[in-house]
Amino acid sequence: GQNIDQPTEMTATEGAIVQINCTYQTSGFNGLFWYQQHAGEAPTFLSYNVLDGLEEKGRFSSFLSRSKGYSYLLLKELQMKDSASYLCALVDDYKLSFGAGTTVTVRA
Amino acid sequence: KAGVTQTPRYLIKTRGQQVTLSCSPISGHRSVSWYQQTPGQGLQFLFEYFSETQRNKGNFPGRFSGRQFSNSRSEMNVSTLELGDSALYLCASSFTHNEQFFGPGTRLTVL
Repeated sequence: GQNIDQPTEMTATEGAIVQINCTYQTSGFNGLFWYQQHAGEAPTFLSYNVLDGLEEKGRFSSFLSRSKGYSYLLLKELQMKDSASYLCALVDDYKLSFGAGTTVTVRA
Repeated sequence: KAGVTQTPRYLIKTRGQQVTLSCSPISGHRSVSWYQQTPGQGLQFLFEYFSETQRNKGNFPGRFSGRQFSNSRSEMNVSTLELGDSALYLCASSFTHNEQFFGPGTRLTVL
């Protein structure tokens, strides 16, 4: 089985940086995804980590430590459009298991 | 390249009825996964198909079933609908397991 934990809500100011943590316990691991989901829309892919370390993609970066069962998503230079739910998901045996999601609210 | 399409986008059914949802993956993608999203349970995996074979399934009752056709299009069926089946049903396709592209979803309401 799998257990995925992430904070429920976070609030930050436009232009700031926010770090969303995800901790997990799993019996099998083939990678960790981060998705963004705006209200009423489908999730969109942000990043995929399978090896330890930092993956940077524009304003978004994702970090993975497999030994610690830990990942984070870093959002830099926050914009109002970044207000959304951010989902951490583990992939194992062709199956994605999602965390409950972290709702990020960006304030002016 | 066209994205993942799902039909219908919205559906209203009554308890006891059955429903069939359709998903057309991105051209060239052979893997299709289905998820149920509710406010209380979040996104939950239903099943995954590759080349017409179910490779994995989640913890849902047998009322939930699916299939995939030779053109990679997939359908899922829910029989004997219950109020708790009201949810957003999302389909995602992928070429490899590295990235899944989601469709817009089908919003099912069971009355």
